[in-house]
Amino acid sequence: GAVVSQHPSRVICKSGTSVKIECRSLDFQATTMFWYRQFPKKSLMLMATSNEGSKATYEQGVEKDKFLINHASLTLSTLTVTSAHPEDSSFYICSAPSYEKLFFGSGTQLSVL
Amino acid sequence: GENVEQHPSTLSVQEGDSAVIKCTYSDSASNYFPWYKQELGKGPQLIIDIRSNVGEKKDQRIAVTLNKTAKHFSLHITETQPEDSAVYFCAATEAAGNKLTFGGGTRVLVKP
Repeated sequence: GAVVSQHPSRVICKSGTSVKIECRSLDFQATTMFWYRQFPKKSLMLMATSNEGSKATYEQGVEKDKFLINHASLTLSTLTVTSAHPEDSSFYICSAPSYEKLFFGSGTQLSVL
Repeated sequence: GENVEQHPSTLSVQEGDSAVIKCTYSDSASNYFPWYKQELGKGPQLIIDIRSNVGEKKDQRIAVTLNKTAKHFSLHITETQPEDSAVYFCAATEAAGNKLTFGGGTRVLVKP
């Protein structure tokens, strides 16, 4: 299957700082990527759809100013958690479609102290 | 919007036995149903998928069935092995490759 690379795998930051997470499609191009959030022992919840060359589409209840998404190229989407607080601590996972299947990155565990 | 229910939430089986996970969905427009396996601390891995024009699909020890009329689909794992232990998620979407709505997940434990 297609490979989606996500970095970093783990990040610890202080409250009030911003954290950037990168998602890359390694062997294919993706005009759309999806960002999910997952709490411990819970399912994946869609946060937003990242669109290359245009604004991201956010799901209801997701603060677009808190979670900034930039789809800079056909192989890279970034999620920036701005002014992070402990309640933003979670597992963030990106995904990208290839040949009508959705492939996921390895996830980023964010811990905000 | 789409709502996907998944049962059971936990499943413990003896090595060599079969495991069955069931999902129901609400949106009759959904026509693509993938299954993912997630190990601790990792992203979900696509293990099998099925489209609405097919009733059953098999890949070695894994099979998926779909009843579009009843809006049910199920994952069957035969001859389970300890490495099958993980969390399994079903999902549904109207268009393959589009955003997915996930079920709540099933934690499978295969006891040696």
